[in-house]
Amino acid sequence: EVQLVESGGGLVQPGRSLRLSCAASGFTFDDYAMHWVRQAPGKGLEWVSGITWNSVTLDSADSVKGRFTISRDNAKNSLYLQMNSLRDEDTAVYYCAKDPRNGYNGWSYFDYWGQGTLVTVSS
Amino acid sequence: QLVLTQSPSASASLGASVTLTCTLSSGHNSYAIAWHQQQPEKGPRYLMKVNSDGSHTKGDGIPDRFSGYSSGAERYLTISSLQSEDEADYYCQTWGTPPVVFGGGTKLTVL
Repeated sequence: EVQLVESGGGLVQPGRSLRLSCAASGFTFDDYAMHWVRQAPGKGLEWVSGITWNSVTLDSADSVKGRFTISRDNAKNSLYLQMNSLRDEDTAVYYCAKDPRNGYNGWSYFDYWGQGTLVTVSS
Repeated sequence: QLVLTQSPSASASLGASVTLTCTLSSGHNSYAIAWHQQQPEKGPRYLMKVNSDGSHTKGDGIPDRFSGYSSGAERYLTISSLQSEDEADYYCQTWGTPPVVFGGGTKLTVL
């Protein structure tokens, strides 16, 4: 059974940093691209960042480019999101999501999702 | 620019059928999309991928009550024999340039 379990969320002040983690199991982690998607309170889904199976290609939404960095450790079956210079508008539930492809030919859709971790940016 | 458009809300009665629509922006008729369901207070769940030719690939454990098809720039999700647990937000999603795009979501109410 595929499982994606996010952790690391919490309350943080504007301008500070936070690192999210996603522990993956039930599939061969290093075969697939992975993503972070977020959802602000009462709003829709927004793609944040993606990473290919081998970490060669990283990409992020314009709204977080230069502030957030996606990474992965295939030996630990883990995905990460380093979030710096956090803003009020980054307040959201952050979901880890699996891509059914490795990302070599671009991103695809998300065939498995985690349950999310809440990040609240407030002073 | 690649944009997905969904109606904000839909409703149907228990046991009935409902079809949700996702419309691709002009010039993107050949794009596949994916449908995701988000029940209240839960993370999203992948339902199916719908290709431009109408073929679809369902996620694990998705009941036969859920089906998808295509017509031109429209991508459809049909849910038959509606059950109370089908009350949820439904998002379509595609990929290209911009890298990943979501529709605004449709809130389905089961009466």
